Amino acid sequence: AQSVTQLGSHVSVSEGALVLLRCNYSSSVPPYLFWYVQYPNQGLQLLLKYTSAATLVKGINGFEAEFKKSETSFHLTKPSAHMSDAAEYFCAVSEHGTSYGKLTFGQGTILTVHP
Amino acid sequence: SQTIHQWPATLVQPVGSPLSLECTVEGTSNPNLYWYRQAAGRGLQLLFYSVGIGQISSEVPQNLSASRPQDRQFILSSKKLLLSDSGFYLCAWNRGSEETQYFGPGTRLLVL
Repeated sequence: AQSVTQLGSHVSVSEGALVLLRCNYSSSVPPYLFWYVQYPNQGLQLLLKYTSAATLVKGINGFEAEFKKSETSFHLTKPSAHMSDAAEYFCAVSEHGTSYGKLTFGQGTILTVHP
Repeated sequence: SQTIHQWPATLVQPVGSPLSLECTVEGTSNPNLYWYRQAAGRGLQLLFYSVGIGQISSEVPQNLSASRPQDRQFILSSKKLLLSDSGFYLCAWNRGSEETQYFGPGTRLLVL
């Protein structure tokens, strides 16, 4: 069985500060890992994904994440926060090799950016 | 390119009334289709998935059902809504050969 834990349901940063959103996963097989962003009353948009290639993954809007197998982590970072980054962020895991891409999501982290 | 549509965007229904939410995908064939529910502060819960016409798998027992009458159409239904059915319903799709899921804009359902 797979699971995802996002540490911190709310994260608040100042504009221009580093953004760090934490995600730890559990999977019985090599995982695929994803970060999605959700703006209010909208669907989820893919930020980036790890699919067993490079461990440092770059995504849209300046975000990146690093897969660390030893720590079972896939934390999301951005060097400098913008006001437009305020949204809810979801980490998700998929077990590689399943016949369909079942995603298990974390509970989400709401990012607030202060001027 | 592929697009995914959901309607209605918002819905307010009384307890005990029926429900039908529709999801359609354009620009691809034989997609995997998914229904998720997002309740406040509880992340996303997978409700149903389908790998083909008429093939529905349920992840969570509940008073909801799903159907796939056409290749790119996925419908979420209920005969009698409960208060606990309120939430944000998201449809998603992917190709059988890839892991990434692509989400629709969602339907906000409020049961009163």
